Amino acid sequence: EIVMTQSPATLSVSPGERATLSCRASQSVRSNLAWYQQKPGQAPRLLIYETSTRATGVPARFSGSGSGAEFTLTISGLQSEDFAVYYCQQYDRWPLITFGPGTKLDI
Amino acid sequence: EVQLLESGGGLVQPGGSLRLSCEAAGFTFSNYPVHWVRQAPGKGLEWVSVISGRGGDTNYADAVKGRFRISRDNSKNTMFLQMNSLKVEDTAVYYCAKSRIGVTGVGVFDHWGQGTLVTVSS
Repeated sequence: EIVMTQSPATLSVSPGERATLSCRASQSVRSNLAWYQQKPGQAPRLLIYETSTRATGVPARFSGSGSGAEFTLTISGLQSEDFAVYYCQQYDRWPLITFGPGTKLDI
Repeated sequence: EVQLLESGGGLVQPGGSLRLSCEAAGFTFSNYPVHWVRQAPGKGLEWVSVISGRGGDTNYADAVKGRFRISRDNSKNTMFLQMNSLKVEDTAVYYCAKSRIGVTGVGVFDHWGQGTLVTVSS
């Protein structure tokens, strides 16, 4: 099983700032990495897939980068609605899909 | 508009059974694999199971293999999760999620239901 780790566990930032969230895989997942956003009481929402491709309707302030085992989600110009928990997910080792533990983006 | 609506959750005793349903709308259901993903209270996401578009191919996480069975009825645009021999650690919100593309083997979930809570407790 590929183990995903995320850092930091909690990131405190202010509206308008840039947030950088990290995700690491225990082995290479090539570019098969997705990011999801989850707000309290809601289902997750797909933000990014294939490391850097934004899902339909996702604002351009969200960007993904990386390859192999190290990945980053960057949110530029944070808005109030961006404060949520963010999960990375690898889908390279089908069907053994695994998620990271999440990063909580806090004001 | 794609919609996924789960139902069937509730309180069950350890060792008991429960059947979850996920009714889909807004897309050609039979063209897409669909998944179950769960989230224990206050915890992260855990992939549970997937079924191919036509239903002939299924896969399970090790934690549920042999106890859970996934199925679908494409004539009713509905997917099911039969959960047997339930354990306390199966307590979670269970989400159904649609694959972004219509091929098995790519686990990206572009639409999710709102989830149904399963509580396993005596």
